[in-house]
Amino acid sequence: EDKVVQSPLSLVVHEGDTVTLNCSYEVTNFRSLLWYKQEKKAPTFLFMLTSSGIEKKSGRLSSILDKKELFSILNITATQTGDSAVYLCAVSSGGAQKLVFGQGTRLTINP
Amino acid sequence: SAVISQKPSRDICQRGTSLTIQCQVDSQVTMMFWYRQQPGQSLTLIATANQGSEATYESGFVIDKFPISRPNLTFSTLTVSNMSPEDSSIYLCSVKRDTNQPQHFGDGTRLSIL
Repeated sequence: EDKVVQSPLSLVVHEGDTVTLNCSYEVTNFRSLLWYKQEKKAPTFLFMLTSSGIEKKSGRLSSILDKKELFSILNITATQTGDSAVYLCAVSSGGAQKLVFGQGTRLTINP
Repeated sequence: SAVISQKPSRDICQRGTSLTIQCQVDSQVTMMFWYRQQPGQSLTLIATANQGSEATYESGFVIDKFPISRPNLTFSTLTVSNMSPEDSSIYLCSVKRDTNQPQHFGDGTRLSIL
């Protein structure tokens, strides 16, 4: 059974700190790993990673995939209160390309 | 990315009734999916909506409870049938424009069953 595990489940930091969120996976026929940010109802797409070792970057957010060790990290530097959200990691596998989600990391940024 | 309109945004329903949720995309997409997010939980795939044919359901979800239609490449509906309080969740549709693109989500429907 495909499995995605995120850690930590919850994280509270002060504004300006740097955070690293972790995602490990066990899936058959891996296609890609995706990160989403969920503030209210709709998850918002952040990154899609398919190749090992290539960092994807968008502003203060960056992510990298290690296909040998089966994990990914999401880094957020100089955090702001607007970064407070649940961050979801998901893996796409097989021809159906359905997503299997991790439990999410609830990130709280205190001013 | 595609603009995905999902409605209703939220609803409160009586047990035993049914509700149909609509998902409209502003352009043709290859794949459409329906997910459920129960309170405090992550997202779980209900089914893949197939254009012009029966949806493909995941283990634990059945067509009688969650009938899905997808008459064309821009529209799909999910019906939650004979609702009980355990069906109280956020229901989300997602779309993939093509095989190399990420899934993008609609705004979701927050459903509460009394």
